[in-house]
Amino acid sequence: QKEVEQDPGPLSVPEGAIVSLNCTYSNSAFQYFMWYRQYSRKGPELLMYTYSSGNKEDGRFTAQVDKSSKYISLFIRDSQPSDSATYLCALRGNYGGATNKLIFGTGTLLAVQP
Amino acid sequence: DSGVTQTPKHLITATGQRVTLRCSPRSGDLSVYWYQQSLDQGLQFLIQYYNGEERAKGNILERFSAQQFPDLHSELNLSSLELGDSALYFCASSARGGTGTYNEQFFGPGTRLTVL
Repeated sequence: QKEVEQDPGPLSVPEGAIVSLNCTYSNSAFQYFMWYRQYSRKGPELLMYTYSSGNKEDGRFTAQVDKSSKYISLFIRDSQPSDSATYLCALRGNYGGATNKLIFGTGTLLAVQP
Repeated sequence: DSGVTQTPKHLITATGQRVTLRCSPRSGDLSVYWYQQSLDQGLQFLIQYYNGEERAKGNILERFSAQQFPDLHSELNLSSLELGDSALYFCASSARGGTGTYNEQFFGPGTRLTVL
């Protein structure tokens, strides 16, 4: 079983729609939860990070973490064609203070149609 | 632009060959990470260096090795290349390397390796 599961999509929505992207994970040791956006042929860039459970909002983006269910979500409101990209969830645990390595989901390809 | 640079952008080589990928971290960042991104496996952590020393290893093959130099740039060496090594290789950097507090990893543009 993979440590992080993410539906690869593709997900196609009309402009202005609310988008919901999700990941599930198996290891309860994960403490930091991140969402990265990756445009085609580019490196991933950080959208948001959340520590432990709860919600975090940044403009049109909202990240949710439910540690009891081991479930994380990213919501995009009023989606725009420029949001078309691959969205990757990433998790970081506490590896005894030694490392900051990230475990990534496989990514969900999102296409927002004008 | 993340401030992380990687060279070359593209690399085409043959099976059995050896290549070196180079990464320069953001100014002031001490930690460098290498990731491999393939269609079937997604983005996989390979190895981390912090201030010249190896900090953590992931699913890195024995044919692969890396190092971080005193000027903090890093190189990933891939040898005895196989078709399955074709992938995007990303370097990321962060200010620190541990888990005390959150510190963001900034990704470079990647090197696309094609093994024929």
